Amino acid sequence: GAVVSQHPSWVICKSGTSVKIECRSLDFQATTMFWYRQFPKQSLMLMATSNEGSKATYEQGVEKDKFLINHASLTLSTLTVTSAHPEDSSFYICSVGGNQETQYFGPGTRLLVL
Amino acid sequence: AQKVTQAQTEISVVEKEDVTLDCVYETRDTTYYLFWYKQPPSGELVFLIRRNSFDEQNEISGRYSWNFQKSTSSFNFTITASQVVDSAVYFCALATGGATNKLIFGTGTLLAVQP
Repeated sequence: GAVVSQHPSWVICKSGTSVKIECRSLDFQATTMFWYRQFPKQSLMLMATSNEGSKATYEQGVEKDKFLINHASLTLSTLTVTSAHPEDSSFYICSVGGNQETQYFGPGTRLLVL
Repeated sequence: AQKVTQAQTEISVVEKEDVTLDCVYETRDTTYYLFWYKQPPSGELVFLIRRNSFDEQNEISGRYSWNFQKSTSSFNFTITASQVVDSAVYFCALATGGATNKLIFGTGTLLAVQP
């Protein structure tokens, strides 16, 4: 399967600041990556589909101006949480569509906004 | 509408017991994919199995087995002789329009295996 990394693994920031999270596909060229969000003890919810070289597709209810996604290469997608607020504190996890038609997930990034 | 239901929120078993995690899905598509993922306390999602809608053959992998029944729209997961290391949250997920399309997750089942 695909090997996916995320950086940072955790981040604490002050309210109002922006935070960038990187998702890298280490052994697979990914034209599509996915960003999910998971609140404590809840399921994963898809936020957006990141498409290499084009605009991301956002799920209903996700603010595209707040969660900026850039997929500039086949191995890197970034999610920027702009003007983060405490309610944005969550576990953000990306995935890559690897071989055998399976999505492989990164280790996730825990964001805490104070 | 597409939906995945995992009715069991939490299950607690004693080591060496067998345990079955239930998953019921809804979709109108004839082509779809079902998945199970394991999420240990560290948070990463570990892929366990993928099954497409045209393959109802059950599968066994070591202590893990999966029972796919289209007639009841279920894709249940059984762990035989459970171990403490099996303690995690297990998610069932559905993808339509291709397995690398977006995943719809169930709410997860927290499995606690007591020594």
